[in-house]
Amino acid sequence: NAGVTQTPKFQVLKTGQSMTLQCAQDMNHNSMYWYRQDPGMGLRLIYYSASEGTTDKGEVPNGYNVSRLNKREFSLRLESAAPSQTSVYFCASSEMVRGEQYFGPGTRLTVT
Amino acid sequence: QQQVKQSPQSLIVQKGGIPIINCAYENTAFDYFPWYQQFPGKGPALLIAIRPDVSEKKEGRFTISFNKSAKQFSLHIMDSQPGDSATYFCAASNFNKFYFGSGTKLNVKP
Repeated sequence: NAGVTQTPKFQVLKTGQSMTLQCAQDMNHNSMYWYRQDPGMGLRLIYYSASEGTTDKGEVPNGYNVSRLNKREFSLRLESAAPSQTSVYFCASSEMVRGEQYFGPGTRLTVT
Repeated sequence: QQQVKQSPQSLIVQKGGIPIINCAYENTAFDYFPWYQQFPGKGPALLIAIRPDVSEKKEGRFTISFNKSAKQFSLHIMDSQPGDSATYFCAASNFNKFYFGSGTKLNVKP
């Protein structure tokens, strides 16, 4: 099992460009999450999907959109990237609500 | 406003020492409190978790102490080893939303 996979690993964008971060899990988990990690801030929840077909805002959703494509895949889209979105993005999944979260390896995004 | 406050920001101990990391929260609706360990370049991994109906939980060398009335919880690492050097995050959850502390960078010297 690969667990949680994320693509790409690194990305550099110019201000105003758009991109989609991909996440997939092979553990048949119901819930999936997107976080951003900034120095001194810990991880902050952007969006989550409690189950296939549902998505909800987290703590810092502005500037992002998500799609739960199917049970395995949960993507995060930046429509118009801003330097404030420079961060490391982590996807996670869990079998159930408040269950153990398994994290992917992260995507390091720089917006210039 | 940070929902979970974590201290200290960094910690240096000698091998065999017992580092203690503290977290505090305000929202009494939180009902699940996990700790995560993160090595450089990797995603966080669950270390140990506790629910508020118990005051202490041990798993191997890792212990969580939970004080519901004070709204505080802490991680103790017994007999710490250089391999424990990592960043540790506490978190608190209400339904599907998780709030993380700012992290503690632990360095265990040989």
